[in-house]
Amino acid sequence: KAGVTQTPRYLIKTRGQQVTLSCSPISGHRSVSWYQQTPGQGLQFLFEYFSETQRNKGNFPGRFSGRQFSNSRSEMNVSTLELGDSALYLCASSRPGGSYGYTFGSGTRLTVV
Amino acid sequence: GEDVEQSLFLSVREGDSSVINCTYTDSSSTYLYWYKQEPGAGLQLLTYIFSNMDMKQDQRLTVLLNKKDKHLSLRIADTQTGDSAIYFCAESIDSNYQLIWGAGTKLIIKP
Repeated sequence: KAGVTQTPRYLIKTRGQQVTLSCSPISGHRSVSWYQQTPGQGLQFLFEYFSETQRNKGNFPGRFSGRQFSNSRSEMNVSTLELGDSALYLCASSRPGGSYGYTFGSGTRLTVV
Repeated sequence: GEDVEQSLFLSVREGDSSVINCTYTDSSSTYLYWYKQEPGAGLQLLTYIFSNMDMKQDQRLTVLLNKKDKHLSLRIADTQTGDSAIYFCAESIDSNYQLIWGAGTKLIIKP
């Protein structure tokens, strides 16, 4: 069974640009959530989607947005990139309620220069 | 508010048992998880426990949950060099659809 696939693995962008990250969940998992990991702040929740609906959003500015498609694949977008957006962005998929755990992808390493 | 705390480092000798501790504040947690992260990698789910259980064993891993004290621990028996990693404790609260994370404990193995 394929795991959670995140693309691309690495990205280098300049300040002010925008970026789109993609996440394909495990087949059958309809919940997809996104986390930002930085050395200073640790793991921070960005948002969670289920059946194309955002059910919860973390404390991030409006420059961070996401969506989920009918096949459960999800994308997140960051506009007007800042240096502080440099981080590992992790996507996780799960069955409803988190039973059996959340399975994470390998992440997208974003560097803003 | 919700908070999960862990020690930042743990050093053990190869072959000994490692015990990584975690405390959480939200009593409405549904599941509690342990994840492992190796350098440059994503998060690997090691094990999880439902909040109405007090113990779960899976090969070399033993999870203990003291719900009264809001304390979770992960014991790794016969620690090996391949166990070197950062271990994260996380709790989920059904109504929030998110995980609340500890800062991670770096496990250092001494030969």
